Order: sequence, then C-alpha cells, then structure tokens
Amino acid sequence: DVKVTQSSRYLVKRTGEKVFLECVQDMDHENMFWYRQDPGLGLRLIYFSYDVKMKEKGDIPEGYSVSREKKERFSLILESASTNQTSMYLCASSLWGNGYTFGSGTRLTVV
Amino acid sequence: ILNVEQSPQSLHVQEGDSTNFTCSFPSSNFYALHWYRWETAKSPEALFVMTLNGDEKKKGRISATLNTKEGYSYLYIKGSQPEDSATYLCAFKRGSTLLALSRLYFGRGTQLTVWP
Repeated sequence: DVKVTQSSRYLVKRTGEKVFLECVQDMDHENMFWYRQDPGLGLRLIYFSYDVKMKEKGDIPEGYSVSREKKERFSLILESASTNQTSMYLCASSLWGNGYTFGSGTRLTVV
Repeated sequence: ILNVEQSPQSLHVQEGDSTNFTCSFPSSNFYALHWYRWETAKSPEALFVMTLNGDEKKKGRISATLNTKEGYSYLYIKGSQPEDSATYLCAFKRGSTLLALSRLYFGRGTQLTVWP
C-alpha cells in the first residue's frame, strides 16, 4: 500500500523555536507539497518541489522554508515559530499530471 | 492566486436524501479537475480525476460531471448515508506549463453532514 508518512501527528512548540516537519513517501513520486489547513480557509499551498533540491514557493511561503535532499523526503522548516503558524499541516506527493496522495497531517500548536 | 469556488460551504441532510454540490474554476488553460473526500481525522482521498469536457465519473453512489467550457463540476451523492459525512474538496490543475502541471488549486470544500 502506497504511503505518505508525516513524522508527527501532534506537535507543541514554543514561540521562537525552530521546527522541522518531516514527510516521507515510498512511491518514487517527483512532486511533493506542503499545505496548511485552517478553518474557513481551505488548503493553502506553502511550498512544493518537483525534483530533488528543487523548490517553488506556493501561495503563503512567508515564515517557512523547505528542504529536499532526497527524492523521498520533503521537510518543512519554521525558522522561528510564531503563534499564527498554529495549524494543521498536510504533506502530499504526486506524479506529474496525476492526483495527490496525502499524509495524515501534523497538528502544530505554537504557544 | 487562481480562484476555485465551492458551494455550498456546508450541507446537512437526512439519511437517504440525495445531494449535490458545485465546484467552479477558470475555463482557460484547463488540464484536469480533481475531487477529494476528507473525513475527520483521516487524510484526503482521491475520488475522481476528470480531464475531458462532458466527462462523467461514478463510484458507487457518488458521481461527478464536468463542463470545462463554462468552468464547473458537480458532485452528486445518491441516497446519502452517515458514512458519507466528510468534507468534499475539488481541485483544479492548469495545463499552461510543465511546472503548472505539478500543482493543484483547491477550493475551500463543502462540509457534508448526514444525519441518521
């Protein structure tokens, strides 16, 4: 069964901390994505990557960075966490032109 | 930012009712329209990928239609059951560039609650 695995289901961090959210896929997909989901706002794209070491800004990249050193792993980094980054974070992967496979999400709370 | 609109925002129906919701998207540079179902505490799951104008897809009691010329898609659920309760997301994919093919633009979803 194909999978996208997010390392943590729930995470609580303090304001100012550097936070790493990890995502791993086992399907050899070229494309990987990070979204955040907030009530009433739907899924908003933060960053995506179409190849190793390649990244593109999504619609809300401010305050985030990403890393893709290996094809199967895509990391989202909050350089200095703030309370407005409290959210549900979803990782997804896909082949070119195909639908997404999503991870189960990480609910991050910044206090 | 490309606009994908879904309506209604939420819907409450009785078990056995049939229901439908709408997704509207830009009609230019169309490549594909996706529907996902997202149950609470689970990952979104793909329902349909539709690429051709006039496409109709069916999966059990759920079906979808596509009109790329006017930029809308309908999702229908026949005889709703409590287990159909979920958020239904549509997402649009542009075909203008190779890079554009890699990402989806999501609507905000329709939250369906089916009461027994």
